[in-house]
Amino acid sequence: DAKTTQPNSMESNEEEPVHLPCNHSTISGTDYIHWYRQLPSQGPEYVIHGLTSNVNNRMASLAIAEDRKSSTLILHRATLRDAAVYYCTSWSNYKLTFGKGTLLTVNP
Amino acid sequence: DADVTQTPRNRITKTGKRIMLECSQTKGHDRMYWYRQDPGLGLRLIYYSFDVKDINKGEISDGYSVSRQAQAKFSLSLESAIPNQTALYFCATSSTKPIGTDTQYFGPGTRLTVL
Repeated sequence: DAKTTQPNSMESNEEEPVHLPCNHSTISGTDYIHWYRQLPSQGPEYVIHGLTSNVNNRMASLAIAEDRKSSTLILHRATLRDAAVYYCTSWSNYKLTFGKGTLLTVNP
Repeated sequence: DADVTQTPRNRITKTGKRIMLECSQTKGHDRMYWYRQDPGLGLRLIYYSFDVKDINKGEISDGYSVSRQAQAKFSLSLESAIPNQTALYFCATSSTKPIGTDTQYFGPGTRLTVL
């Protein structure tokens, strides 16, 4: 299973963009990259996923490096409600493998 | 009503006791999962099931067993609980989309404390 590496924590200001990096250098060519986030006292929730191309949805954008060894989750305008642990995961061998995640703090 | 429910939400038990955690879903999904979360370790997969007749071990299945009673129900059992099984437990479901593209939906979690 591919291993993902993320910074332990990041800090942002409200209404500013946030770029959350993830390294997944051992990912195989067919493994999808998924991002989930976990708000305080809740279960994880899906954010976005992609394979090779950059992806956008109403929550965020996902930029995937051309060599697929890294990706970046982009929150275009952080709000206080975006404060959470963000997990970069890989879908391989029929399951998601979660790393330790990045704790995002959003300052008012 | 929540799509994925877990019972109980909190449980305190003693070493050696048998414990069952239950998960129910109304999403109509075939795939169900049990994860464990410990502080600083992220989520680790215990067991997963892709349909009623399918059960697979995850990365940390020792000390746990599961039962898929129906499409909508997936239970996790600790036959003889020990203190290092104190953790937050999450159930999740996903639909049968092409592998790699399905989204997992998580329940609210069960906080288990083994004394």
